[in-house]
Amino acid sequence: DTAVSQTPKYLVTQMGNDKSIKCEQNLGHDTMYWYKQDSKKFLKIMFSYNNKELIINETVPNRFSPKSPDKAHLNLHINSLELGDSAVYFCASSRGQTNTEAFFGQGTRLTVV
Amino acid sequence: GDSVTQMEGPVTLSEEAFLTINCTYTATGYPSLFWYVQYPGEGLQLLLKATKADDKGSNKGFEATYRKETTSFHLEKGSVQVSDSAVYFCALSDRRSGNTPLVFGKGTRLSVIA
Repeated sequence: DTAVSQTPKYLVTQMGNDKSIKCEQNLGHDTMYWYKQDSKKFLKIMFSYNNKELIINETVPNRFSPKSPDKAHLNLHINSLELGDSAVYFCASSRGQTNTEAFFGQGTRLTVV
Repeated sequence: GDSVTQMEGPVTLSEEAFLTINCTYTATGYPSLFWYVQYPGEGLQLLLKATKADDKGSNKGFEATYRKETTSFHLEKGSVQVSDSAVYFCALSDRRSGNTPLVFGKGTRLSVIA
């Protein structure tokens, strides 16, 4: 049973396309996140949702739009993909919003060509 | 804002060598501290954690002690194995109100050779 699962694992697409990454957690957590990991392995928070409500949006372009249909899901939709969007995107979840560890999915490697 | 600084890699060690990866932090509040490990092609896994000063987190032979006076959380292992080759991330989650997601260091790549 995968605690945090995201699909797809790999995504190769052309510039200008629109794509989505899906994330589901079965841990009963109320907070979910999207992180971006660049080619140097640096991890940066993009979004944080608590009980389906957007809490954090860290200077991410408007082309990125997270959607949380329920507490267990947080999807990431990206419009008009650019070369610089190529990265590994990680979904994560935690119990509570503060002072707590997060559990991560396996990551989605997005390559924009 | 909160930040984590960890030693630059890559670190290359021979099997059974002693490992130290330094980590220091800056936080507004009184954070919990974590080490995560990322094996090649995989997501991040929690390795160990400590929630208050002088706590020692330990797992799989790795240890780290929360040092409030030096704002540090150095990772150590007495005898590394080839299977420990991975990228290690130090992270913190602050304790102030509101949403305080994990803040990560830049990661340290460890390669252990037989």
